[in-house]
Amino acid sequence: SQQGEEDPQALSIQEGENATMNCSYKTSINNLQWYRQNSGRGLVHLILIRSNEREKHSGRLRVTLDTSKKSSSLLITASRAADTASYFCAQGGSEKLVFGKGTKLTVNP
Amino acid sequence: DTAVSQTPKYLVTQMGNDKSIKCEQNLGHDTMYWYKQDSKKFLKIMFSYNNKELIINETVPNRFSPKSPDKAHLNLHINSLELGDSAVYFCASSQITGEGEQETQYFGPGTRLLVL
Repeated sequence: SQQGEEDPQALSIQEGENATMNCSYKTSINNLQWYRQNSGRGLVHLILIRSNEREKHSGRLRVTLDTSKKSSSLLITASRAADTASYFCAQGGSEKLVFGKGTKLTVNP
Repeated sequence: DTAVSQTPKYLVTQMGNDKSIKCEQNLGHDTMYWYKQDSKKFLKIMFSYNNKELIINETVPNRFSPKSPDKAHLNLHINSLELGDSAVYFCASSQITGEGEQETQYFGPGTRLLVL
């Protein structure tokens, strides 16, 4: 299977804390993307990091990519209750995205 | 304006029935997708169309037939529905770069299908 994996599967933190989610993948990539899915909704794109990039920031999000280890991490700083959602990484190849199994993040007020 | 829309949002039906889900995108993208998300939230691609042509068919049973009348629409018809077809189906669209690289995908709100 080409499917990647997020770690941990579930994460529960307090508001204001940082949340870190990791993603490992198996195949070569053009880019690595992170998406958020709120309960009962569609996926929303958060950030895309290209294979020749090592780190990218967007607001409270910070993504790193290590192609030698085939891994990426998503850091959400100063979390809010509204960040409660499932987060998926997706390997961007030439034909399709391959999604991981997701990390379910709960931010407690 | 909704970028990617799907209808219906909910679909409850009996085993053996035939049903269709419609998807439309107003982003001007060339590529559209259907995904299936199971009860464990695993998201798996089913089909991909580029400019009305099928480019990905991920070993989906032939009871599932996508149809793309134009590049802004990708519909999914399912024949002889089975219990295992119960899932959330997502439509998405994107623009693939000239180098063939997958860019951001935009997802619809999903269609929750329950087969009884």
